[in-house]
Amino acid sequence: AQSVTQLGSHVSVSEGALVLLRCNYSSSVPPYLFWYVQYPNQGLQLLLKYTTGATLVKGINGFEAEFKKSETSFHLTKPSAHMSDAAEYFCAALGGSQGNLIFGKGTKLSVKP
Amino acid sequence: DSGVTQTPKHLITATGQRVTLRCSPRSGDLSVYWYQQSLDQGLQFLIQYYNGEERAKGNILERFSAQQFPDLHSELNLSSLELGDSALYFCASSPRGPATNYGYTFGSGTRLTVV
Repeated sequence: AQSVTQLGSHVSVSEGALVLLRCNYSSSVPPYLFWYVQYPNQGLQLLLKYTTGATLVKGINGFEAEFKKSETSFHLTKPSAHMSDAAEYFCAALGGSQGNLIFGKGTKLSVKP
Repeated sequence: DSGVTQTPKHLITATGQRVTLRCSPRSGDLSVYWYQQSLDQGLQFLIQYYNGEERAKGNILERFSAQQFPDLHSELNLSSLELGDSALYFCASSPRGPATNYGYTFGSGTRLTVV
């Protein structure tokens, strides 16, 4: 069965520092991959997605992710963290047995001033 | 505003009771998905409907049921509620059926507290 693993339930960075949130998927076939962000007391908002084509995907708010088939990874990065980036981030893969989105456990990002 | 509307936003009820959560998908979207988010289980897929028909079932308990109506809104019914059912329940919608690569648009959720 498809699964998504996010390394680190909590990541803390300083404002202006690089943000790196890790995501690995398990699949013999590259799935469609997504990153969502959840701000407190809100629903999930799509940051970016990989379907086919270019392996470096750019999303909203300066985030990007690179699909690496050899590493079965889809890590999320942002060159310079902003206080407003503090939120919980979820990696997801489309490819469950029923064709639905499978989510990782989430990574809570804290940004220190 | 994502375009997916969930009501109510908060619900407090007693064990053994039954509640109904409502979701209106984004205009034009035919699929509705229900997810449960809890601290220990994370985001768990419950059930999916496409254009009125059930298309996929996930970890949905037998005490829970759902349906999608002709106007495409959906309702999730939770009965014989237990303390462990306390969670955030999200509805999401997408334009097409299963395995769509569009991604889902999520509502802001219904927070259910069972006391």
